[in-house]
Amino acid sequence: AQKVTQAQTEISVVEKEDVTLDCVYETRDTTYYLFWYKQPPSGELVFLIRRNSFDEQNEISGRYSWNFQKSTSSFNFTITASQVVDSAVYFCALSAYSGAGSYQLTFGKGTKLSVIP
Amino acid sequence: DAGITQSPRHKVTETGTPVTLRCHQTENHRYMYWYRQDPGHGLRLIHYSYGVKDTDKGEVSDGYSVSRSKTEDFLLTLESATSSQTSVYFCAISDPTEYGDTIYFGEGSWLTVV
Repeated sequence: AQKVTQAQTEISVVEKEDVTLDCVYETRDTTYYLFWYKQPPSGELVFLIRRNSFDEQNEISGRYSWNFQKSTSSFNFTITASQVVDSAVYFCALSAYSGAGSYQLTFGKGTKLSVIP
Repeated sequence: DAGITQSPRHKVTETGTPVTLRCHQTENHRYMYWYRQDPGHGLRLIHYSYGVKDTDKGEVSDGYSVSRSKTEDFLLTLESATSSQTSVYFCAISDPTEYGDTIYFGEGSWLTVV
């Protein structure tokens, strides 16, 4: 069975602070994929990143960076110099092959980030 | 933009009535999914489809049925709505390959059962 844990339910930071959102996962599969999605107050789910289990290279995209560590089963997300527009619920998710050509996506419960001006 | 349209976007219905949510996609994606989102539970898979007339159950399929008669449309039906089915419903699409899969979501449908 797959499991994704986002221990931080809510985080508040002041604008321009850096913030890290934690994600810990469990899976028995050797090949799997990790994701982060953003859900702003408007409600849609926005895909941010996908990481393959065989690629532990960290990734940076503008103010966003992701740290993938298989040794600790973690896939943490850091926002540098946070902005009010970063206020949203962020979901970490895990996908592994479930047969019949399908990948099942398991979500964490989300971390609500509030960036205070 | 993954070309996904959900309808209706908002609906209030009474307990015991049937409800159908529609997901329409324009880019010929093979896989389509229905998820529900509830406070404290995150997103949970209801049903998914891997082709026309090919569907399978997800984690929380009880009380729901689906149909896919065309590639572009995936319907979710609540045969007899209950208050526990008040939720936000998301349709999603993907095209799995041997290199993995990325799932893109629609804008959501807010359903209230009173």
